[in-house]
Amino acid sequence: DGGITQSPKYLFRKEGQNVTLSCEQNLNHDAMYWYRQDPGQGLRLIYYSQIVNDFQKGDIAEGYSVSREKKESFPLTVTSAQKNPTAFYLCASSRWGYEQYFGPGTRLTVT
Amino acid sequence: AQSVTQPDIHITVSEGASLELRCNYSYGATPYLFWYVQSPGQGLQLLLKYFSGDTLVQGIKGFEAEFKRSQSSFNLRKPSVHWSDAAEYFCAVGAGEDTGFQKLVFGTGTRLLVSP
Repeated sequence: DGGITQSPKYLFRKEGQNVTLSCEQNLNHDAMYWYRQDPGQGLRLIYYSQIVNDFQKGDIAEGYSVSREKKESFPLTVTSAQKNPTAFYLCASSRWGYEQYFGPGTRLTVT
Repeated sequence: AQSVTQPDIHITVSEGASLELRCNYSYGATPYLFWYVQSPGQGLQLLLKYFSGDTLVQGIKGFEAEFKRSQSSFNLRKPSVHWSDAAEYFCAVGAGEDTGFQKLVFGTGTRLLVSP
């Protein structure tokens, strides 16, 4: 079964801790993306990667970091510098120049 | 900068009635346009896309959308709504020729409620 997996589905952390969200795809897509979703604000792009070992900042990259060491994987780290980390995080992938497919999401709660 | 406006935050439609969700975009060139649907707590599912060609595009689950360049619109329609269509719908524009039109900008979504 081809698709995108995100784990865990729910994540709870204390303020001041870094946390890493997992995203894996077996669609053989070159490009991968991270979005943040807040109520009433739609989705906003955090980072995207077109190829392995390369990635670019999206519109709201501050307080986040990513790596792309393998084609299948694009983990997102929410650092303690992110002022409002509680949100729903969505990973997506695509063939470059084609539509994006989304994973099921991870809901992060920081208290 | 590109932007997407979905003017209706909530819409309630009776089951079996027709549906139209509005989407207006702002972008200087021909955009790539998408409609996605999201059930609560889930990821987004692609309903349909417009890249070029025929301005009326068909999607999954009986949905269609029409690209109107003169109105900068890409409205989503369905002739007969089913209770299972209740969800949140997002319009998105893929802009930025230098990035392969991969930087999606999303509207804030329209929540569809279906009444019996």
